[in-house]
Amino acid sequence: NAGVTQTPKFQVLKTGQSMTLQCAQDMNHNSMYWYRQDPGMGLRLIYYSASEGTTDKGEVPNGYNVSRLNKREFSLRLESAAPSQTSVYFCASSAVFNEKLFFGSGTQLSVL
Amino acid sequence: RKEVEQDPGPFNVPEGATVAFNCTYSNSASQSFFWYRQDCRKEPKLLMSVYSSGNEDGRFTAQLNRASQYISLLIRDSKLSDSATYLCAVNSGYQKVTFGTGTKLQVIP
Repeated sequence: NAGVTQTPKFQVLKTGQSMTLQCAQDMNHNSMYWYRQDPGMGLRLIYYSASEGTTDKGEVPNGYNVSRLNKREFSLRLESAAPSQTSVYFCASSAVFNEKLFFGSGTQLSVL
Repeated sequence: RKEVEQDPGPFNVPEGATVAFNCTYSNSASQSFFWYRQDCRKEPKLLMSVYSSGNEDGRFTAQLNRASQYISLLIRDSKLSDSATYLCAVNSGYQKVTFGTGTKLQVIP
């Protein structure tokens, strides 16, 4: 059982470059989320999709965009990466909105 | 006051000991509560959910105290494999789940 799969696992970008983080879940979950985790800050919600066809901003959406491509897939795009976006990014999904989240294995992103 | 607060630790306990962590929350309207376990450089994994007074799963017990606005996680008979960071998460409604910054547990042989 794959659960939540996100790619890539590691990425190094230069300031101003763009990239897309991919996330897919095979649990038929309705809701999907993107979080970032920084030391001392805990997990902070970037964007979420409560159900297929909807997306909304979370706590720290600036500099990011998302696409809920279908029920399985939810991508996160950095249009012009900044050093402040250096972080560990986690995709998550849940059957019911904001209940029992299942996380992907994370993406370690460094922006130089 | 932070929405969700946890003592960062570390809590260093010997094998076999009982250890408890607390997590306080500020929004009295919060409806559901979760404990996640996160190993170093890994993703958080759901450990327990709490919707009413408490929940028990083997050596783990989670309790909710609405009057004082905290949840606790009790681990009995600690194992070396319990060493991890424990995150609490609070669903406050308002389309929001807030995570604490985690409590680090180190179980010592």
